[in-house]
Amino acid sequence: DTGVSQNPRHKITKRGQNVTFRCDPISEHNRLYWYRQTLGQGPEFLTYFQNEAQLEKSRLLSDRFSAERPKGSFSTLEIQRTEQGDSAMYLCASRSLGSGDDTEAFFGQGTRLTVV
Amino acid sequence: GESVGLHLPTLSVQEGDNSIINCAYSNSASDYFIWYKQESGKGPQFIIDIRSNMDKRQGQRVTVLLNKTVKHLSLQIAATQPGDSAVYFCAEKGRGTGNQFYFGTGTSLTVIP
Repeated sequence: DTGVSQNPRHKITKRGQNVTFRCDPISEHNRLYWYRQTLGQGPEFLTYFQNEAQLEKSRLLSDRFSAERPKGSFSTLEIQRTEQGDSAMYLCASRSLGSGDDTEAFFGQGTRLTVV
Repeated sequence: GESVGLHLPTLSVQEGDNSIINCAYSNSASDYFIWYKQESGKGPQFIIDIRSNMDKRQGQRVTVLLNKTVKHLSLQIAATQPGDSAVYFCAEKGRGTGNQFYFGTGTSLTVIP
């Protein structure tokens, strides 16, 4: 297993277009997270899946954002009608359930979105 | 919500010296903490973690100290190397707030050869 994989690594889109990102977590990690990171800031939580169930969503996740994890493995994050303010690095992380709740989250390399 | 902040946004150290990066958190119910290292253009990389029932944990060249009384976390890097240059984030997971981690702004560490 090579870790969390995100595609594409970079995406440039025109304002108003839809974009979709994919995340392949570490196999057998049942927890999957999406974060957004802007320059000079720490990652901000967007949403969380346990298996295929989306259990938490941040208020940062507007109606234009939707995330899915249909089979409990890979996940997609779609942004509709992109705005310039959506330009950021979108990070995916996965985490095993472990013997408790204290297990580290492993991050992918991110997808850098630029909306022009 | 939680607030995780770092005392110093930038830190420069000479190669071979020890580095200390500090972090304050506001949620006294947070029970698990992680330090991440992030190099330019890459995702955060796990360095070391600590649970709230501990006050110190050591790894290879790194030590994390947790002071729950003052809600303070620190990362000590021994014999800092040029490859340690990166942005360092502390992240906390609050008990009962779900499973997300809250990150601070980060401290940029520059190692001077």
